[in-house]
Amino acid sequence: EPEVTQTPSHQVTQMGQEVILRCVPISNHLYFYWYRQILGQKVEFLVSFYNNEISEKSEIFDDQFSVERPDGSNFTLKIRSTKLEDSAMYFCASSVGGYNEQFFGPGTRLTVL
Amino acid sequence: AQSVTQPDIHITVSEGASLELRCNYSYGATPYLFWYVQSPGQGLQLLLKYFSGDTLVQGIKGFEAEFKRSQSSFNLRKPSVHWSDAAEYFCAVGGRNQGGKLIFGQGTELSVKP
Repeated sequence: EPEVTQTPSHQVTQMGQEVILRCVPISNHLYFYWYRQILGQKVEFLVSFYNNEISEKSEIFDDQFSVERPDGSNFTLKIRSTKLEDSAMYFCASSVGGYNEQFFGPGTRLTVL
Repeated sequence: AQSVTQPDIHITVSEGASLELRCNYSYGATPYLFWYVQSPGQGLQLLLKYFSGDTLVQGIKGFEAEFKRSQSSFNLRKPSVHWSDAAEYFCAVGGRNQGGKLIFGQGTELSVKP
């Protein structure tokens, strides 16, 4: 069964460093998303991406964040200068259409020291 | 404002007992509703979804949920809980005017005692 994959599973970085989180969505899906979950809190929407551009972004997704689909398979989230409060589990998701169920990857746990 | 409320942060049930997890939503248009389950250290797995039609929807692992528009609710049920059902359960709402964005509730942690 096709699934969303994410790498790495755990990333530790120093405050102020840049990180890139990688995702491979399901191959025939056209919509891609990033969510985050701070420990003990709810899952929060960050950004949606379709047709090589951002469809919607939340207030959390400020200038420090960017997304890219550099080739036909990968979907990346970059945090330019990490802050302590960026420590969270980051989930990638994909869907066939914009209003279909989203399939989530296993997540990348980001720890900012 | 669009929101999802899961009033129960933690529920404990005995194995074999029935289960109901509550979910209430606030949404300005016709909602699409989802239940996801998250086991420790794992991602989110879709249990079931409601888009339209029959308000009682069946999902995987023996779960079902009923959409009640008048109560703005989408409660999750299972007639007989198994120990492997212990996990965190998230209700989420999306819709046509959200571009696919899902809004999640706080989650309900389910513990199952023998």
